[in-house]
Amino acid sequence: EIVLTQSPGTLSLSPGERVTLSCRASQTIRNSYLAWYQQKPGQVPRVLTYGAGSRAPGVPDRFTGSGSGTDFTLTISRLEPEDFGVYYCQQYAQSPLTFGGGTKVEI
Amino acid sequence: QVQLVQSGAAVKTPGSSVKVSCKTSGDTFRGYSINWVRQAPGQGLEWMGGFIPLLNTVIYAQKFQDRATISADESSTAVYIELDSLTSEDTATYFCARGYYDSSTSLPKYLEHWGQGTVLTVSS
Repeated sequence: EIVLTQSPGTLSLSPGERVTLSCRASQTIRNSYLAWYQQKPGQVPRVLTYGAGSRAPGVPDRFTGSGSGTDFTLTISRLEPEDFGVYYCQQYAQSPLTFGGGTKVEI
Repeated sequence: QVQLVQSGAAVKTPGSSVKVSCKTSGDTFRGYSINWVRQAPGQGLEWMGGFIPLLNTVIYAQKFQDRATISADESSTAVYIELDSLTSEDTATYFCARGYYDSSTSLPKYLEHWGQGTVLTVSS
């Protein structure tokens, strides 16, 4: 199975800052089949980006997914107060689908 | 509007079984994958398996292959997961989630719409 390692574990940031979250895979993810999700406390996960950088409907353009092979990044260009939560990466290149352990973003 | 509505919270004893339902809106069913993902308290997300109605395919994570059964009722566009031989480690919130699928591999893809979650507590 593909193991996804996210870093850092926790980030404490201020509004307006640029944020870069990392997701590293234990093997190559074909077709860049990797998605990013945001989950706020008590809420269901929300998909942000998928594939080689496509943004899900309704997701603000400050969220950008990128990467290929084994190294992927989610960038938030200017952090907004509502962006707090836990961010997960997920690969769908191979069964079983797997998620990273998450990065917690504190505002 | 895409809707996935799950059954309510459940409390089970160790060794018993649970069946969780996910009622999908009509246009949510056939052209997509319906997946089950669980989240233990304070922990991350874990994919358990998925169903692709158009391919009549069910796929499981190996960890759950022997204990989980995913089924569907097309007439009511509902999908179910039954989990046997429960232990305290199965205490979690169980989500159903709709996603696309890769027709060349019959694998689910990213998960775009989620049910509200069903809290399962396993305790003696």
